[in-house]
Amino acid sequence: DIVMTQGALPNPVPSGESVSITCRSSKSLLYSDGKTYLNWYLQRPGQSPQLLIYWMSTRASGVSDRFSGSGSGTDFTLKISGVEAEDVGVYYCQQGLEFPYTFGAGTKLELK
Amino acid sequence: QVTLKESGPGILQPSQTLSLTCTFSGFSLSTYGMGVGWIRQPSGKGLEWLANIWWDDDKYYNPSLKNRLTISKDTSNNQAFLKITNVDTADTATYYCARPVDSGWGYWGQGVMVTVSS
Repeated sequence: DIVMTQGALPNPVPSGESVSITCRSSKSLLYSDGKTYLNWYLQRPGQSPQLLIYWMSTRASGVSDRFSGSGSGTDFTLKISGVEAEDVGVYYCQQGLEFPYTFGAGTKLELK
Repeated sequence: QVTLKESGPGILQPSQTLSLTCTFSGFSLSTYGMGVGWIRQPSGKGLEWLANIWWDDDKYYNPSLKNRLTISKDTSNNQAFLKITNVDTADTATYYCARPVDSGWGYWGQGVMVTVSS
């Protein structure tokens, strides 16, 4: 199985600050079609997860442009530019390259 | 508008079989490329993918659950199902069904809480 490892944030984060969440995969997620099969989700307290980014850097429909994804085949970053109250929750990365799909353990974002 | 909603027994005893239903609207599982998956989350913990079923009835399972899973669909009634046999307390979790969008889970249900307790 592909292991997904996420970094932590120096919580709490001041409102308006920009933060980066890291994720690393144990195998390259770059596929032969040129796409990197890495997704990012936000799970707000008490809610279902919400897809933010797919194919490493493509924002899902309706997602604020304050969220951006980048990376290589195995190292990835989700950047939030100007953290707002609605961004509070747990962020998960997930690989969609091969079964079994696997998630990172999550990175919690708290606001100061 | 795509919606999904999970339903289940709420509570069951160890060794029983857990049966979950995902009732959805806004898409059809008979449409080329469409699929539904199940993901679970123990309280306060992370997400675990369980199984996928596709429009052509192709199925994939998480091998960590050791052949305890069965996923199926009823295209006519817009439902997908998941059965987990021989449950124990480690299966206590919120269970989500979700629909993929490109490579990610773009639509999620609200989740259904399942408790395994004697």
